[in-house]
Amino acid sequence: DAKTTQPPSMDCAEGRAANLPCNHSTISGNEYVYWYRQIHSQGPQYIIHGLKNNETNEMASLIITEDRKSSTLILPHATLRDTAVYYCIVRSTNQAGTALIFGKGTTLSVSS
Amino acid sequence: EAGVAQSPRYKIIEKRQSVAFWCNPISGHATLYWYQQILGQGPKLLIQFQNNGVVDDSQLPKDRFSAERLKGVDSTLKIQPAKLEDSAVYLCASSLSQASTEAFFGQGTRLTVV
Repeated sequence: DAKTTQPPSMDCAEGRAANLPCNHSTISGNEYVYWYRQIHSQGPQYIIHGLKNNETNEMASLIITEDRKSSTLILPHATLRDTAVYYCIVRSTNQAGTALIFGKGTTLSVSS
Repeated sequence: EAGVAQSPRYKIIEKRQSVAFWCNPISGHATLYWYQQILGQGPKLLIQFQNNGVVDDSQLPKDRFSAERLKGVDSTLKIQPAKLEDSAVYLCASSLSQASTEAFFGQGTRLTVV
């Protein structure tokens, strides 16, 4: 079962920041937070991951709370092409067989 | 770099028929996954391979589903016989290793069982 809780849907205006929350209150010390997104009719795509420090790459920023029980994915300037389902996943890379376990994710709709 | 290739893209079969899906992972990727995604849900792991060995097949309905990766490269997933509830998108993904931070997904095969 997925170890995360996400809102089922969110809306965002084009050009504005999209802030997608995720709760993972049972996260263990060796588990990372991963974000993937799935655009319609495509396979999921990796966005970013982190352990406890905030992370930023060319796609997004990941803010993890100090107690690590929740995180926020930030798309700084959302475009129409960012409309997708966003999945927050916790995963340990210390153990063999640690595949990605997906929940239902958040459907982000970006409108002009 | 070529991505994960899957075929066919679409398949329609009648219930009780058999079907097979093919996946060619990114060159050099040792780990291969098959996921099932039912409409409106997130992908569900069916099986994970490390080279040609099975790491996790606990969620694979073994009475009707089978998968193989004989030479540690390409993989096939088979359903025999198919049921209506098998209608879904079947996604293949690969990564360099089990500990890799990023898995790469194919576009999937959309199966409709009528």
